[in-house]
Amino acid sequence: EAQVTQNPRYLITVTGKKLTVTCSQNMNHEYMSWYRQDPGLGLRQIYYSMNVEVTDKGDVPEGYKVSRKEKRNFPLILESPSPNQTSLYFCASSFGPGGGSPLHFGNGTRLTVT
Amino acid sequence: AQSVTQPDIHITVSEGASLELRCNYSYGATPYLFWYVQSPGQGLQLLLKYFSGDTLVQGIKGFEAEFKRSQSSFNLRKPSVHWSDAAEYFCAVIFGNEKLTFGTGTRLTIIP
Repeated sequence: EAQVTQNPRYLITVTGKKLTVTCSQNMNHEYMSWYRQDPGLGLRQIYYSMNVEVTDKGDVPEGYKVSRKEKRNFPLILESPSPNQTSLYFCASSFGPGGGSPLHFGNGTRLTVT
Repeated sequence: AQSVTQPDIHITVSEGASLELRCNYSYGATPYLFWYVQSPGQGLQLLLKYFSGDTLVQGIKGFEAEFKRSQSSFNLRKPSVHWSDAAEYFCAVIFGNEKLTFGTGTRLTIIP
C-alpha cells in the first residue's frame, strides 16, 4: 500500500530535550515536505526536499533541522524543543512540488513540549 | 501580496443538505487551486484540483468546485452531505513559485 509513515503519532517531551520525528514514504517520490498545523493558521511549511541531499527552508524553519540521506526518509529534528513548537506535524511527499502530482500526507505527529 | 482566504472557520449543516465552502485568493494571475480534506486523526487527502480549462471540476466523494476568475474564488460544493463528510477542509493554492500555500481551514460539522 502506498503510504507516508510518520512516527511517533504522539510525543510529549520537555524543553531542550532533542527529538526526531521520522518520515518514510514507499512511493519513490522525489519531493518531501514537513508542515506544522496550528489552530487558525492552517498548515505552514517548515522544510522541504527536492531530492536526496537537497533541502530548503519553508516558511517557518526556525528551530528545526532536516536531512535527506535516502530518497524514502525525511526526518525532522528538533535540537532544543521549546513550548512554541507544540503543534501537529505532517510529513508529505509527491513526485514534484508543483500541482501535477498530488501530495500524499502522513497521519500526523502531535507534539507537546512542556 | 499573494494569499488564500477561507472566510468560514466553522460551518454546521444538516445531513442531506447542500454544502458550499468558500475560498478566495489574491494573485495577479490564475494560480493552481486545490481542495484537501482532513478527517479526524488523519492526514490530508486531495479532493480535487484546477489548473485550467473547464471551470467546474469534479472530485472524489461527490464534491465539486467552481473556479470564478472574476471573483478570485474556488468554492467547494456538495449537493447532499453525509455524516462521514464531517472533517476539516483546506483550500490550497500554488502561486508562481510552485509552493503550495494552505488556507486556514473550515471545520464542517454535520447534524442528524
